[in-house]
Amino acid sequence: GQNIDQPTEMTATEGAIVQINCTYQTSGFNGLFWYQQHAGEAPTFLSYNVLDGLEEKGRFSSFLSRSKGYSYLLLKELQMKDSASYLCAVLDSNYQLIWGAGTKLIIKP
Amino acid sequence: ETGVTQTPRHLVMGMTNKKSLKCEQHLGHNAMYWYKQSAKKPLELMFVYSLEERVENNSVPSRFSPECPNSSHLFLHLHTLQPEDSALYLCASSQDRGGSGKDTQYFGPGTRLTVL
Repeated sequence: GQNIDQPTEMTATEGAIVQINCTYQTSGFNGLFWYQQHAGEAPTFLSYNVLDGLEEKGRFSSFLSRSKGYSYLLLKELQMKDSASYLCAVLDSNYQLIWGAGTKLIIKP
Repeated sequence: ETGVTQTPRHLVMGMTNKKSLKCEQHLGHNAMYWYKQSAKKPLELMFVYSLEERVENNSVPSRFSPECPNSSHLFLHLHTLQPEDSALYLCASSQDRGGSGKDTQYFGPGTRLTVL
């Protein structure tokens, strides 16, 4: 079966750095996506990785290791508005997105 | 502004009602999707349309019926739903399907459905 694992919930402090991990087992791999979803709102696209390595986009970075079936999302200089759920999703061999259940990130002052 | 709109935003219906959810994308995309999101569960893909043809139907009960009249509009027709169908229904679109980043999906705000 196909499976995406990420922690259910994490807590971090405003101004700090947090790393949200995602491991996956899928039938094929055509890229990995990270989305942010605030409560009651739509998921919004954050990043796309298809090659190994780190992609940096402002305060957010995403890392991929295809050989390990592993990715992480790194958030720096945390702000209260970063409190949200972060969804990891993998595009499988049929170009269908397989989604994790999401990591709820709580930011404390 | 996401470029994908959904109506209604909230819907309460009885098990014998018939209703429809509407999605419209203003991004010029060729693929559209319906998802179901329940609390603490992964997004569940329901239907995929590519160039107005249905390409995925993930064992969804027949009480859910999709319609894609053109590449900008997508409907989900609902009839004789069950209380367990209560969830957030999300519509998304992507430029295309087939890799190279064109599969990046952009979501509408969703319809919060409650079945009594």
